[in-house]
Amino acid sequence: AQKITQTQPGMFVQEKEAVTLDCTYDTSDPSYGLFWYKQPSSGEMIFLIYQGSYDQQNATEGRYSLNFQKARKSANLVISASQLGDSAMYFCAMRELNQAGTALIFGKGTTLSVSS
Amino acid sequence: DAGITQSPRHKVTETGTPVTLRCHQTENHRYMYWYRQDPGHGLRLIHYSYGVKDTDKGEVSDGYSVSRSKTEDFLLTLESATSSQTSVYFCAISERPDPLNEQFFGPGTRLTVL
Repeated sequence: AQKITQTQPGMFVQEKEAVTLDCTYDTSDPSYGLFWYKQPSSGEMIFLIYQGSYDQQNATEGRYSLNFQKARKSANLVISASQLGDSAMYFCAMRELNQAGTALIFGKGTTLSVSS
Repeated sequence: DAGITQSPRHKVTETGTPVTLRCHQTENHRYMYWYRQDPGHGLRLIHYSYGVKDTDKGEVSDGYSVSRSKTEDFLLTLESATSSQTSVYFCAISERPDPLNEQFFGPGTRLTVL
């Protein structure tokens, strides 16, 4: 079974609109972290935001927020007021103590396209 | 930005040749990782290191070896490259193995095996 599932291969949004990128996860470890990375067409992996399993409040970083619903095992990324520069691939990932080296486990990604 | 460089950034090689990719960091982080990225798979862990001379295998380690003789350098070697190893390779670093600690990535190396 996949540990990280991103069900939206592609999303399309207009500038200034908000968009939600879905991510569900599967773990039995009580201590884990959930991360979102952005990969623009230039190829680099850019860390955006993270949420710890024990955090009571949803994480926010500027226009990015993480909608963490622990009971549903979901960690959706919300981008408010989309910009053209937000067009990229977005990856959801998880770190858990039981994983070798606590390495990141990645979903397959969602491509976001922002139009003017 | 975290100080992580990878070299080379692009490489084209032939099947059967050895290839070594280098990851260099200036952050003095203890943990280093090699991932590969392929279409439809996201990123997958090849090997990781938890200190000088301390390494272990990841999900897709077959055909790869690693070495870490200094804190700042983590080398990935393909002893005899195959076409299935055509991929984009990312190095990442982390200060701690804490699940709540983020990993930072290098710029990536695009490897093509003909």
